[in-house]
Amino acid sequence: DTGVSQDPRHKITKRGQNVTFRCDPISEHNRLYWYRQTLGQGPEFLTYFQNEAQLEKSRLLSDRFSAERPKGSFSTLEIQRTEQGDSAMYLCASSPRTGGSILDTEAFFGQGTRLTVV
Amino acid sequence: GESVGLHLPTLSVQEGDNSIINCAYSNSASDYFIWYKQESGKGPQFIIDIRSNMDKRQGQRVTVLLNKTVKHLSLQIAATQPGDSAVYFCAENNLGGTDKLIFGTGTRLQVFP
Repeated sequence: DTGVSQDPRHKITKRGQNVTFRCDPISEHNRLYWYRQTLGQGPEFLTYFQNEAQLEKSRLLSDRFSAERPKGSFSTLEIQRTEQGDSAMYLCASSPRTGGSILDTEAFFGQGTRLTVV
Repeated sequence: GESVGLHLPTLSVQEGDNSIINCAYSNSASDYFIWYKQESGKGPQFIIDIRSNMDKRQGQRVTVLLNKTVKHLSLQIAATQPGDSAVYFCAENNLGGTDKLIFGTGTRLQVFP
């Protein structure tokens, strides 16, 4: 399978616990994005990386959230002291976009990690 | 499994009919638009895209129309099939600006026999 891979697919955690999600992008895709999706809504942008550099973070990404992409390949999204409002689908996407090109902007999404905070 | 968009606008069509899904976008500076299909429990799947220098683009059974004057986007699906049943989202991007997709409110497409 050469698509975007996310792990785990489902996570149930108690309020106050920390959770970490992993995303493996399509090989050689230099851009990696994290989105969050709640029921009935479209995905909302959280943050994105160009290789290992985190270039933008949404206001949705509170201090409890941290994302890393240490070697420019896989990425992790950690949520500390989870709250019930963090319950959502966390989606990862990757793109071969190198910046400014109009030829390689399509973003491919993974299947997501469904987080439930109880 | 998970159900995406329990309270979304719904379009119900009969198998074999054509479907038209509409979307209004917000940013007049957006110059790249994508339609995604999302099935229950899955991530969004790319369908078709269009850049602002075009007003129409066709794919296999799908056509996207762009009206920049009124900031409106539509997705036409020809000969709708049961496998087309899903939630459809439009997304906008400014290729020269920040690199993030802004998703619109989805539309649930239900295809009945």
